[in-house]
Amino acid sequence: LAKTTQPISMDSYEGQEVNITCSHNNIATNDYITWYQQFPSQGPRFIIQGYKTKVTNEVASLFIPADRKSSTLSLPRVSLSDTAVYYCLVAQMDSSYKLIFGSGTRLLVRP
Amino acid sequence: NAGVTQTPKFQVLKTGQSMTLQCAQDMNHEYMSWYRQDPGMGLRLIHYSVGAGITDQGEVPNGYNVSRSTTEDFPLRLLSAAPSQTSVYFCASSYSSGGSYNSPLHFGNGTRLTVT
Repeated sequence: LAKTTQPISMDSYEGQEVNITCSHNNIATNDYITWYQQFPSQGPRFIIQGYKTKVTNEVASLFIPADRKSSTLSLPRVSLSDTAVYYCLVAQMDSSYKLIFGSGTRLLVRP
Repeated sequence: NAGVTQTPKFQVLKTGQSMTLQCAQDMNHEYMSWYRQDPGMGLRLIHYSVGAGITDQGEVPNGYNVSRSTTEDFPLRLLSAAPSQTSVYFCASSYSSGGSYNSPLHFGNGTRLTVT
């Protein structure tokens, strides 16, 4: 089963680039890597998804090495509003189709 | 397009009472799931469904029942509420294609439940 491991917390300052790495050593061939952002009192929301190499959208980039055993979410020039919990999710696509979240990374952006 | 709608937003129960948390989605998603989130903690999977008539247990299913009679609705029933079930409950859904469940999850805004 593709368990994920992330740092518990990270601190940054406004305007900096933040990189959050997720380890998923047992990722299966068909699994995608999906990152979510959660603000207090809200449900998580989708940020970015990828399978391999690099994916970029308007809010983030996702870097996935060739062995796919880890991934790095990159947030360029963070602002105070990026303070949130970030989860990486790798679908556990054995016969059970369970989508189990890891503990997430609590990002604090300081002025 | 309302997305994923959860009702009620807040609920207070006494120990031993039962209730149903409602979840509905209007995106024709086959996959639906329930998570609970305790204060300061991550999301834990309670039950999930890959389509109408099909449900299965997640990480923490004890004390909860689900059913999936339609594609749109996935209610979560608390059989006999306990203080340990005080939490925020999130319903989520996603599109599936050909048995692949890699599509991003869409979450509701949650139901905050307190059991006294």
